[in-house]
Amino acid sequence: AQSVTQLGSHVSVSEGALVLLRCNYSSSVPPYLFWYVQYPNQGLQLLLKYTTGATLVKGINGFEAEFKKSETSFHLTKPSAHMSDAAEYFCAVSANGNDMRFGAGTRLTVKP
Amino acid sequence: GAVVSQHPSWVICKSGTSVKIECRSLDFQATTMFWYRQFPKQSLMLMATSNEGSKATYEQGVEKDKFLINHASLTLSTLTVTSAHPEDSSFYICSARMTGGSYNEQFFGPGTRLTVL
Repeated sequence: AQSVTQLGSHVSVSEGALVLLRCNYSSSVPPYLFWYVQYPNQGLQLLLKYTTGATLVKGINGFEAEFKKSETSFHLTKPSAHMSDAAEYFCAVSANGNDMRFGAGTRLTVKP
Repeated sequence: GAVVSQHPSWVICKSGTSVKIECRSLDFQATTMFWYRQFPKQSLMLMATSNEGSKATYEQGVEKDKFLINHASLTLSTLTVTSAHPEDSSFYICSARMTGGSYNEQFFGPGTRLTVL
């Protein structure tokens, strides 16, 4: 079975500062890993995903994440936060495409 | 491309009534669709997996007789909440996997907020 733990339900950064959202996963098989963003009362938008190959994955809006098998982590980063980045972020893991499991989410606040 | 819509976007109903939510893949065919529910400030929980032309597979703890799922075509899946009660109030989100596409990617709809009075 797969599971995801997101460390920190709420992260607050200043505009222009580094964004780091943490995600650790558990999977009995090689995982597929995802980061989604959700704005209020909206569905999920895919930021990036890792399937195979390069462990550093670049996504939309300047976000990237690195798959570290030894640490079972897939942390999301962005060098410089923008006000529009304020949202809820979900990390998810899937083994076969059907069984997608989401973390509890991290709310990102960006201060001016 | 790969747009998924949901209708309605929000609905308010009286306790005891049934509500149908539609999930459509607008520009692709989806053999498989998924239904999730999300309580306020919580994560998404998979309710069921819907395959076109066959019965849905429900997650443990989800009442199949209460949450009726029909996936009659490659572009439409419906979720009917029967005899809704206030505890069914939630944000329901569907997703769709493209037929013949990458099996590890789901495209999400914008969600439907259900409020049961």
